[in-house]
Amino acid sequence: EPEVTQTPSHQVTQMGQEVILRCVPISNHLYFYWYRQILGQKVEFLVSFYNNEISEKSEIFDDQFSVERPDGSNFTLKIRSTKLEDSAMYFCASSEGRAGNSPLHFGNGTRLTVT
Amino acid sequence: AQSVAQPEDQVNVAEGNPLTVKCTYSVSGNPYLFWYVQYPNRGLQFLLKYITGDNLVKGSYGFEAEFNKSQTSFHLKKPSALVSDSALYFCAVRDSNYQLIWGAGTKLIIKP
Repeated sequence: EPEVTQTPSHQVTQMGQEVILRCVPISNHLYFYWYRQILGQKVEFLVSFYNNEISEKSEIFDDQFSVERPDGSNFTLKIRSTKLEDSAMYFCASSEGRAGNSPLHFGNGTRLTVT
Repeated sequence: AQSVAQPEDQVNVAEGNPLTVKCTYSVSGNPYLFWYVQYPNRGLQFLLKYITGDNLVKGSYGFEAEFNKSQTSFHLKKPSALVSDSALYFCAVRDSNYQLIWGAGTKLIIKP
């Protein structure tokens, strides 16, 4: 069964540094998402992406965050200047149709640790 | 305001017993409801959804959920729990912007 893959599985960075989290969504999916989860708790929506542009974003997704689909397969989340509170699990997801109509398929996440 | 509540942080069930994980929602219009499961160190996996039709929805791994419009609930159930069902369970509802509103999650612990 096709999977969403995320790299790296664990990223350690110093405060103020830039990080790029990478995702390869399922190939025939059209909608892409980033979520984060702090300490195995609530899932927080960051951003959704469709047709090469952001379709929705949350209050968390401020100017420090950006997303890109640089080619036909990768979907990246960039944090420009990391803060301690950015430490979390970051999950990429994709779906065939809009969220709420189609199930989301999640990757196994990237654990970001900001020191 | 649109919201999802999972009133129990943790549910403990003995193996072989039936289990219920509760979810209530508040949304305008017809609700689109989902359950996802998260095993340790993994992403969330889709279990089942309710959009329309039968109030009892069957999903993966023997789970089912019952939609109750009058009680605005969508409780997850399984007739006989397995130790391997131990995981974090999330309820979600679609909002008017076609985004998912997530519950806080319920940790399910199945004891042998």
